[in-house]
Amino acid sequence: SQQGEEDPQALSIQEGENATMNCSYKTSINNLQWYRQNSGRGLVHLILIRSNEREKHSGRLRVTLDTSKKSSSLLITASRAADTASYFCATTGGNNRLAFGKGNQVVVIP
Amino acid sequence: EAQVTQNPRYLITVTGKKLTVTCSQNMNHEYMSWYRQDPGLGLRQIYYSMNVEVTDKGDVPEGYKVSRKEKRNFPLILESPSPNQTSLYFCASSLSAGGLGNEQFFGPGTRLTVL
Repeated sequence: SQQGEEDPQALSIQEGENATMNCSYKTSINNLQWYRQNSGRGLVHLILIRSNEREKHSGRLRVTLDTSKKSSSLLITASRAADTASYFCATTGGNNRLAFGKGNQVVVIP
Repeated sequence: EAQVTQNPRYLITVTGKKLTVTCSQNMNHEYMSWYRQDPGLGLRQIYYSMNVEVTDKGDVPEGYKVSRKEKRNFPLILESPSPNQTSLYFCASSLSAGGLGNEQFFGPGTRLTVL
């Protein structure tokens, strides 16, 4: 079942700015992941954060997780044109199944 | 190179003509799954497999079949395709179903059109 829900759905920013996306979910999770999809291509895994972690970094990416609010955010710092893509959050619950959100379109204008 | 491959990448077919989309991974992953992606609906899981000979329904299994006879292969079968199965299909695999090993590796996608 769909669990993750990204917000906002579409974001347009200038190159060099930061992009922030949010994801909310409904039930308890084991971990939350973020993926990137370039137009019509396969999703690429970006980062995984466990339910007992609050923040994680990977290069220009910063992910936070607030289990009390059942929400996560993905921050991309100093965005580049190549960051233009759709971003999906995905949660893993007790049944070990992965549930994806509907995606968040980000356009970085050079 | 570690990868998930899918074939064909593009397919146009007619209603009722049985088809198979193949999926293969070379990473010795236990977990494999199929998703369909439709505008506004995100990714929805069709079927998944925890290991060889172990498959189970996802969220939208109607009209699809799968098999897992070997660890590396997980074909998706449409016995009698209908136009509402027109979609972009992705195969994915991961080391395990849950925990830290469930980062998914996705194939390039198969764009299916059923007329």
